[in-house]
Amino acid sequence: GAGVSQSPRYKVAKRGQDVALRCDPISGHVSLFWYQQALGQGPEFLTYFQNEAQLDKSGLPSDRFFAERPEGSVSTLKIQRTQQEDSAVYLCASSLRVAGDSTDTQYFGPGTRLTVL
Amino acid sequence: GNSVTQMEGPVTLSEEAFLTINCTYTATGYPSLFWYVQYPGEGLQLLLKATKADDKGSNKGFEATYRKETTSFHLEKGSVQVSDSAVYFCALSDGTGGFKTIFGAGTRLFVKA
Repeated sequence: GAGVSQSPRYKVAKRGQDVALRCDPISGHVSLFWYQQALGQGPEFLTYFQNEAQLDKSGLPSDRFFAERPEGSVSTLKIQRTQQEDSAVYLCASSLRVAGDSTDTQYFGPGTRLTVL
Repeated sequence: GNSVTQMEGPVTLSEEAFLTINCTYTATGYPSLFWYVQYPGEGLQLLLKATKADDKGSNKGFEATYRKETTSFHLEKGSVQVSDSAVYFCALSDGTGGFKTIFGAGTRLFVKA
């Protein structure tokens, strides 16, 4: 069956450019998460959607980062005026139930590796 | 705030050796605890989990026990294989009704034939 997919897999941007990263979650999954993973580190939480509602965006590092999930399925993470410190792998995960359900499992996509020159 | 600390790698073992990767945590509330694995060239995937104190999670020969008294969730396997070479991440969920999962920095495991 189809898992979580992300596109593009690799993105190179010049400093100051805007980028948009796409996540296609598993069909029917209620929850969607975005994480940022710097080289040699674990993923760090960015934001959480329950269906189309963004319930937690406390991990977004600045107002240059914006995420949306307008129809409760596909999500886009947008980074405006990219800077070198934005270089990382951006991971998307989805899960069937609402976050906090201890029986639930997050399924991760392969990630988008962003390099800002 | 909540945090996870796991042993630094890389860990290099010979095939059939015993594996322990230490993980300790700091958390409020009642978090669930997880081990995720990332095989070379693949995405992050859940290896095992435990949702309350004294629970033991197990999968593919790996085990970890949720120890509230020592705030630990150490990963163990009795006999590793070359195919276990990967990066292992300890993680916890927010135990107070929030939405975050907090990950450790990861431990890279190399298993030699």
